[in-house]
This record gives sequence, structure tokens and C-alpha cells, in this order.
Amino acid sequence: DVKVTQSSRYLVKRTGEKVFLECVQDMDHENMFWYRQDPGLGLRLIYFSYDVKMKEKGDIPEGYSVSREKKERFSLILESASTNQTSMYLCASSFSHGTGGAETQYFGPGTRLLVL
Amino acid sequence: AQSVAQPEDQVNVAEGNPLTVKCTYSVSGNPYLFWYVQYPNRGLQFLLKYITGDNLVKGSYGFEAEFNKSQTSFHLKKPSALVSDSALYFCAVRAYPGNTPLVFGKGTRLSVIA
Repeated sequence: DVKVTQSSRYLVKRTGEKVFLECVQDMDHENMFWYRQDPGLGLRLIYFSYDVKMKEKGDIPEGYSVSREKKERFSLILESASTNQTSMYLCASSFSHGTGGAETQYFGPGTRLLVL
Repeated sequence: AQSVAQPEDQVNVAEGNPLTVKCTYSVSGNPYLFWYVQYPNRGLQFLLKYITGDNLVKGSYGFEAEFNKSQTSFHLKKPSALVSDSALYFCAVRAYPGNTPLVFGKGTRLSVIA
């Protein structure tokens, strides 16, 4: 079974703190993704990566950065946390586009972040 | 551009009755279509996907979905709902050919009442 793990299920941080969310997958997937989920807004893509050391902006990258130094690990960084970044953060991974774009994304359990 | 619409925020159905969760899409090119389910405080779980071929796709937990190209729809169905089916359901699309990530709908909350 594919396993995508996220470092924390719940996290409470203060405004202005630098926050690191870690995601690890164990299936040698090339592609990794970070989403945030908010009620009524569904899933919105923050950043994604199709290979090690590669990153691309999604729909809402402002206030976030990412790091992918190893194939299995994709980190989301909130440079200076703000209250409007309180949300559920979901990581996902999938095989490469060599599968023709039909690859399934597999999701981690999510990190619920509260910024006070 | 690609987009997905889930026109119902909430669907209520009695246990044992058939259920339908609606999804319509818009893409340039051909669509790959997906359904995911999210149980409380969990990540998303893959249910099924349409790539090509038979318009009726069967997936996990007795769910199926019908691809209708003329109506640009991909509705999720189940013949007999269970209370345990109560969850948040997401439809997603990506265009083929192309290199864009999946685009998700806003989700539909399904409540199955005993």
C-alpha cells in the first residue's frame, strides 16, 4: 500500500513564526503536492514538484515556500505564519507523467494548523 | 483552463436508497476524471477514475460513476446507501494531453440517515 505521512496531525503556532510541514512518501513517487483545504473552498493547490529540487507554483503560493531535497520528502514552509493561514494542509504524491496523466494521487492524513 | 463544479454542497439520503453525487467539468481536450472521499479528520481516499473506454466505471466500496461526454458530467452513484458512506466527496479533473495538476471541486457532503 502507498503510504504518505505528514509530520504532525495538529499544530498550534503564533503569528510571525516560521512553520515547517513535512511530508514523506514511501512509494518512490516522482510527483508531490501540497494543498490547503478550507470549508466551502475545497482543495487549493499551493505548490507541486515533479522531481527532486524542482518546484512549481500552484494556485495560491503567496506566503508559502517549499523544499524538495530528496525524492521521498516534500516540505512546506510558512515563512511568517499569519492567522489567515489557519487551515488543513494535505500532502499528496503520484507517479510521473510517464503514465500519461492518468496517475492517481495518494494523500496523507493532513495537518490541521492553527495560527494564533 | 480546467474546472470542476459540484452543484450540491450537501446531499441527504435514507439508508438503503440509491445515492447520486453530481459533478460536471470543463477542460480543453479530453478529461481524466477522479472521485475521492474524505472521512472526518482524515486525508482523501481514492474511489475511482475514468481514463478511457467504458463510460461506467466501478470503484471501491460499491461506488460507480458514469462518464457522459455530451453533458460533461461524471456523477458518482451507489445503488444502496450505507450510514458509513457519510463523508465529504470530491470530484477532480485533469486535461489530457497536458501537464497540469488535478483540479478539485469544492466537495459535497453526503449524509446517510438511518
